[in-house]
Amino acid sequence: ETGVTQSPTHLIKTRGQQVTLRCSSQSGHNTVSWYQQALGQGPQFIFQYYREEENGRGNFPPRFSGLQFPNYSSELNVNALELDDSALYLCASSFLDRGPGYTFGSGTRLTVV
Amino acid sequence: EDKVVQSPLSLVVHEGDTVTLNCSYEVTNFRSLLWYKQEKKAPTFLFMLTSSGIEKKSGRLSSILDKKELFSILNITATQTGDSAIYLCAVSTGTASKLTFGTGTRLQVTL
Repeated sequence: ETGVTQSPTHLIKTRGQQVTLRCSSQSGHNTVSWYQQALGQGPQFIFQYYREEENGRGNFPPRFSGLQFPNYSSELNVNALELDDSALYLCASSFLDRGPGYTFGSGTRLTVV
Repeated sequence: EDKVVQSPLSLVVHEGDTVTLNCSYEVTNFRSLLWYKQEKKAPTFLFMLTSSGIEKKSGRLSSILDKKELFSILNITATQTGDSAIYLCAVSTGTASKLTFGTGTRLQVTL
């Protein structure tokens, strides 16, 4: 058991719809990062949240947005879904000041049809 | 743009063989290099390397970093079928500890 919990595990959406993915970080971790992993590729950094503020963003359009809550859990929202958004979305938690000791969740497999 | 390149992309070996996986990088504001094993979904942490020339070892796995030549290797000795997985190399950069991943090496260990 990794300590980072993501929900749902699988999701099918239609192009143009909106989706919200959820992540509960490992106890004691104050930072949550989101990654997108397309089939056959390595994970790509979407953004990171630290103390409820965005703390770095990768090369993703504004329709990818997020939130971090006081209990350090997080949401990833994607608007106007496109077929290319189909991927495994991974959440990783860490304690920012102690370096990138990430713990990854098992991910949400999103399929856009 | 930060870049991490892994080789080979895939590898098939027999149980008992020794394998070496390669990772080279070109990034700004390097902090550390990490190796992960991904079997189904969640990447699981193997090693974090910050200093050149110091080997990290865990059982049959070991890894070393060369910060001058900008690469790292992951060695697996006496491979087992349970080692079959995708091995991901990632470099941590900047104050946000953003991880830039390579595309991974898919290792298959056969009997």
